[in-house]
Amino acid sequence: KNQVEQSPQSLIILEGKNCTLQCNYTVSPFSNLRWYKQDTGRGPVSLTIMTFSENTKSNGRYTATLDADTKQSSLHITASQLSDSASYICVVRTGNQFYFGTGTSLTVIP
Amino acid sequence: NAGVTQTPKFRILKIGQSMTLQCTQDMNHNYMYWYRQDPGMGLKLIYYSVGAGITDKGEVPNGYNVSRSTTEDFPLRLELAAPSQTSVYFCASSYSFSTGNYGYTFGSGTRLTVV
Repeated sequence: KNQVEQSPQSLIILEGKNCTLQCNYTVSPFSNLRWYKQDTGRGPVSLTIMTFSENTKSNGRYTATLDADTKQSSLHITASQLSDSASYICVVRTGNQFYFGTGTSLTVIP
Repeated sequence: NAGVTQTPKFRILKIGQSMTLQCTQDMNHNYMYWYRQDPGMGLKLIYYSVGAGITDKGEVPNGYNVSRSTTEDFPLRLELAAPSQTSVYFCASSYSFSTGNYGYTFGSGTRLTVV
């Protein structure tokens, strides 16, 4: 069964600290994996996309990694800011199907 | 570009009432989608469209209908609202469904409560 699981479900960190969010998937065959940021009450916004051949990709303070062998991805946030408070959603694509994780709710506190 | 615009942002319906959630995009995207997001759950695809005049069911289509008469608009219709349809609804569009490296553009969502 194709599934996308994210951990932790929620996370609270102090402003300025780093954190790492995890995404494990069983989706096969793999096309790509995308991380979205969803602010409260807003639609998801794409942060980065990982294809099979890519191990690491950065977008500002966000760095995504992909291990296609173990079917794991992580999103690392450096020097967190209050504006990073949001849900982070992992989406894995196979062919024309997209599988969404349930997200990690991140709260950054001053 | 305004992107993907959804209206209304909030709505409360009584059981059995009908309503249409509006979605329009100005990016000339061929592909449009409707998702629902229940608390603590991932997004689930309701219906999608690959172009004007063409629609298809997603994962959870029961209780909904869609139409795509123009490239820009993709309204979602609830005919007999039920409490199970209480959710946040997101409309999205994309340039291509099959090339994989284009992301979705999402609307800001419609929060629907059925009482």
